[in-house]
Amino acid sequence: AQSVSQHNHHVILSEAASLELGCNYSYGGTVNLFWYVQYPGQHLQLLLKYFSGDPLVKGIKGFEAEFIKSKFSFNLRKPSVQWSDTAEYFCAVIRKSEMDTGRRALTFGSGTRLQVQP
Amino acid sequence: EPEVTQTPSHQVTQMGQEVILRCVPISNHLYFYWYRQILGQKVEFLVSFYNNEISEKSEIFDDQFSVERPDGSNFTLKIRSTKLEDSAMYFCASSAWDTKYGYTFGSGTRLTVV
Repeated sequence: AQSVSQHNHHVILSEAASLELGCNYSYGGTVNLFWYVQYPGQHLQLLLKYFSGDPLVKGIKGFEAEFIKSKFSFNLRKPSVQWSDTAEYFCAVIRKSEMDTGRRALTFGSGTRLQVQP
Repeated sequence: EPEVTQTPSHQVTQMGQEVILRCVPISNHLYFYWYRQILGQKVEFLVSFYNNEISEKSEIFDDQFSVERPDGSNFTLKIRSTKLEDSAMYFCASSAWDTKYGYTFGSGTRLTVV
């Protein structure tokens, strides 16, 4: 079965600290990868996505993620977090082979709650 | 920027009652989805809808659930006889044919079954 793992369930950082949130997936083949953010009481917003090309992807709000195929990972990073980054972060994956057959369902990780202290 | 709109934002219902959650996807999108998130848990896929029919569904999406696109703009999720465990945040999403443009999610409907 498809599986997406986010090992950090709750991360607490001080402002200006660097952030790295892990995301691993458990299946081979070509994948499309996403990071979504959910601010308190709000909907899921797309931070960045990877489909192909440069494995280092830059997203909104200073976030970036690196796709490392050999490690089945797509970790999210930000060099210096702000209090406004307090939110829940979700990694999501879909296999290209599924998309080619018309499937579109994303598989989400369990999420990482980031708390940034001022 | 186009948005996916969901109504209501919060609904409380008694166990056994039917509920209908409503969504207005982005107008030129072709795929529509429902996901749910039980409090403190991960976002789970329920169903996708394309070309006026269900294209994919999860194990969660049993006979209690149904989806409909009654007109050109609305996309609804119906739960026929709600159970306590149906309490969750339900997110609607939509996407274009080419998902490289991403999926757009609505703000969610918090369903509380009492």
